[in-house]
Amino acid sequence: DIQMTQSPASLSASLGETVSIECLASEGISNDLAWYQQKSGKSPQLLIYAASRLQDGVPSRFSGSGSGTRYSLKISGMQPEDEADYFCQQSYKYPNTFGAGTKLELK
Amino acid sequence: EVKLVESGGGLVQPGRSLKLSCAASGFSFNDYWMGWVRQAPGKGLEWIGEINQDSSTINYTPSLKDKFTISRDNAQNTLYLQMSKLGSEDTAIYYCAREYYGWFAYWGQGTLVTVSS
Repeated sequence: DIQMTQSPASLSASLGETVSIECLASEGISNDLAWYQQKSGKSPQLLIYAASRLQDGVPSRFSGSGSGTRYSLKISGMQPEDEADYFCQQSYKYPNTFGAGTKLELK
Repeated sequence: EVKLVESGGGLVQPGRSLKLSCAASGFSFNDYWMGWVRQAPGKGLEWIGEINQDSSTINYTPSLKDKFTISRDNAQNTLYLQMSKLGSEDTAIYYCAREYYGWFAYWGQGTLVTVSS
């Protein structure tokens, strides 16, 4: 299975701060990577797919980048509603696998 | 509006079976791959598997392949997850989701399965 190592496990950001979360795949995944946001008690929501494509309706402060084995999610200007857990997912090879998640809190 | 509603969760004894359902509406169900994801309490997401439009292709995570069976009824716009030989490690919220090239663009609200005697 492809292992997705997500970092950091948790972080705290101030209002307006730029935040970055990373996912490192155990082998190349050819940009077959998605990012999800999960607010407390809610279902996950797709933010980014194909490493850098913004899902419809997602604010433009969210962006994704990366290639090969290393990918990142950036939030340009932390907002209170961004407080959530974030997960990456690779769909390059079966079984699809998720990162362990990053808990983002507002400082 | 795309809507996915899971049902069938609850308390089940170890070693027993349970079948979850996911009722889909607001889109042409038989045009999409569908999948299941679970989340143990306070933990991350685990990909269970997926099924294509006509049920000719079903993929599972290997550790669950002998315990779980994914199926669908396109006439009823419903996705299923049959779970057998349940253990405490299967306690989780189970989500169904509509796929887009392997990513989950729409999710249900989830149904909680608790395995305990």
